[in-house]
Amino acid sequence: GAGVSQSPRYKVAKRGQDVALRCDPISGHVSLFWYQQALGQGPEFLTYFQNEAQLDKSGLPSDRFFAERPEGSVSTLKIQRTQQEDSAVYLCASSLLRGRGSYEQYFGPGTRLTVT
Amino acid sequence: QKEVEQDPGPLSVPEGAIVSLNCTYSNSAFQYFMWYRQYSRKGPELLMYTYSSGNKEDGRFTAQVDKSSKYISLFIRDSQPSDSATYLCAMNSGNTPLVFGKGTRLSVIA
Repeated sequence: GAGVSQSPRYKVAKRGQDVALRCDPISGHVSLFWYQQALGQGPEFLTYFQNEAQLDKSGLPSDRFFAERPEGSVSTLKIQRTQQEDSAVYLCASSLLRGRGSYEQYFGPGTRLTVT
Repeated sequence: QKEVEQDPGPLSVPEGAIVSLNCTYSNSAFQYFMWYRQYSRKGPELLMYTYSSGNKEDGRFTAQVDKSSKYISLFIRDSQPSDSATYLCAMNSGNTPLVFGKGTRLSVIA
């Protein structure tokens, strides 16, 4: 079946621009996660949704980062006034299991964001 | 000190070799341990999952957890060129977000 998809796959933004990154999880998966993966590093947790509720946003690095999942399926991660340190791959994952500790997460291919 | 430490490599081995990948951690509350494989320009995929201490085997892959030493390992037997990827360890204490190591880049040379 279809996996997790993300769009765009690549995004170049000028410093100060706003960007929106989209995630389409696997159909029926209640849990959705966003991660940030810097070059040469492992993924770092940003935020967690259970259905449409954002239950954990402890990993969001600043108030410029905002995520939503209004109907409990597609999610958007928005970054306002992008900075060079925001350059990274943004990964989305979904899980059939509930809970922010779910180990069985299915990852999308990521969106590579480059801020110039 | 990061909660999870993992040697980034790169690690290069000949085809057929046994590969040993390791992570250490500092948080004694961690009880769930995973290994993910990430190919270039792809998202991570779950390989193995272990709860608490002990061994788990799945085909050519064996995961080991030693909670007393805060040390986990992944062994790959009869390594293949298709195993060339970055291997990420991840762990948590249950209902907490996963904490990943930085990954070890592995190349298996034919």
